[in-house]
Amino acid sequence: EVQLEESGGGLVKPGGSLRLSCSGSGFTFNSYNMNWVRQAPGKGLEWVSSISSGSDFIQYADSVKGRFTISRDYAKPSLYLQMTSLRAEDTAVYYCAREGVVPAAADFYYYYMDVWGKGTTVSVSS
Amino acid sequence: DVQMTQSPSSLSASIGDRVTITCRSRQSISTFLNWYQQKAGMAPNLLIFGASNLRSGVPSRFSGSGSGTDFTLTISSLQPDDSATYYCQQSYSTSRTFGQGTTLEI
Repeated sequence: EVQLEESGGGLVKPGGSLRLSCSGSGFTFNSYNMNWVRQAPGKGLEWVSSISSGSDFIQYADSVKGRFTISRDYAKPSLYLQMTSLRAEDTAVYYCAREGVVPAAADFYYYYMDVWGKGTTVSVSS
Repeated sequence: DVQMTQSPSSLSASIGDRVTITCRSRQSISTFLNWYQQKAGMAPNLLIFGASNLRSGVPSRFSGSGSGTDFTLTISSLQPDDSATYYCQQSYSTSRTFGQGTTLEI
């Protein structure tokens, strides 16, 4: 069965740091682009960051740029999100999501998040 | 960033109804549009990719259409299991963005 599992969430004070981890099973983890998506309590989905399969292409949402760092370990294999300078507004359930891809047309591809973990909860509060 | 706007924000419908949810992008995104369903307390689930391609295993009552800036998700005959929040998401830009969600109550 194809699965993702997040870990590392918890309660942290404003200004603190936390590292989230995501591991996969049932598929070749290192072959896929990966994403972090979060959901604040009672709110919608917010894309946070993505990393390509080769770690050569990394993107961040403006809301976390300069504070969060996405990375992956090919030996484990795992995905990480290092979060620093945390704020109350970073409180959310954090999901990791695999990015599937299919050809759309010549030189174009459809990308979509086809496998999601159950999420890990991050609470930022004093 | 490509801003996505869904309407309505919420709706109530009955079993057997045909329901349509709209998603608009601020700029043209061709057909690089995905739809997700999220049930309460659970992770999102991909329904449709590339605006109109039904994911394998998703019931055929779900369909998607549109291109450019205007997209729709249609549920042809509502079932009790369809009570959820639905999100569109663009994959045109490398900075992925989601719509704000449409909550469907049955």
